[in-house]
Amino acid sequence: DAKTTQPNSMESNEEEPVHLPCNHSTISGTDYIHWYRQLPSQGPEYVIHGLTSNVNNRMASLAIAEDRKSSTLILHRATLRDAAVYYCILRDRGGSQGNLIFGKGTKLSVKP
Amino acid sequence: GAVVSQHPSRVICKSGTSVKIECRSLDFQATTMFWYRQFPKQSLMLMATSNEGSKATYEQGVEKDKFLINHASLTLSTLTVTSAHPEDSSFYICSARGPLAGGHHEQFFGPGTRLTVL
Repeated sequence: DAKTTQPNSMESNEEEPVHLPCNHSTISGTDYIHWYRQLPSQGPEYVIHGLTSNVNNRMASLAIAEDRKSSTLILHRATLRDAAVYYCILRDRGGSQGNLIFGKGTKLSVKP
Repeated sequence: GAVVSQHPSRVICKSGTSVKIECRSLDFQATTMFWYRQFPKQSLMLMATSNEGSKATYEQGVEKDKFLINHASLTLSTLTVTSAHPEDSSFYICSARGPLAGGHHEQFFGPGTRLTVL
């Protein structure tokens, strides 16, 4: 699986949007971009995934660069409960094959 | 999303004893289950992958005789830490993947089991 690069940490204010970047310059054509987050002392939680087009769900939006070498997870209004480590992971063939290999992720802090 | 449960949520044991952790997929059939380990302030490390009815595939550096994995049914996998030692103290997380509605495969994680070996 191709490697991703994320900032170690980011800070946000409550109720403001948060943009979490991820670089994946070696992404292959069949790699899906997955985002998971992990709250303290819990298992990871699925956030969103996409291939080429931008994606929206109730939790977040995923903006994928046209060359697919980077993506951004967007939390539209951060809450204190969004404080977590966010992992950007590439996986081949949409999840039916391959394992999720976690990097260090971005630790998001949300200030009231 | 689908639900994956783990039991127990935390366990404390004496050095040299064995500990079994259960992982269940509650509302879907998990054709593949994964076991991860996470040390404090570190990321998740994949230990092994198991397909229902088959032997687990272990990642490099993970001792298969120490970490016994059984995936006997489509909803249950167990991890047994044999002859546990203090260095085995960690947060163990299972994950399950299987076909959901529409044939889509997604991977869901359990809440984790905190193992402390005294």
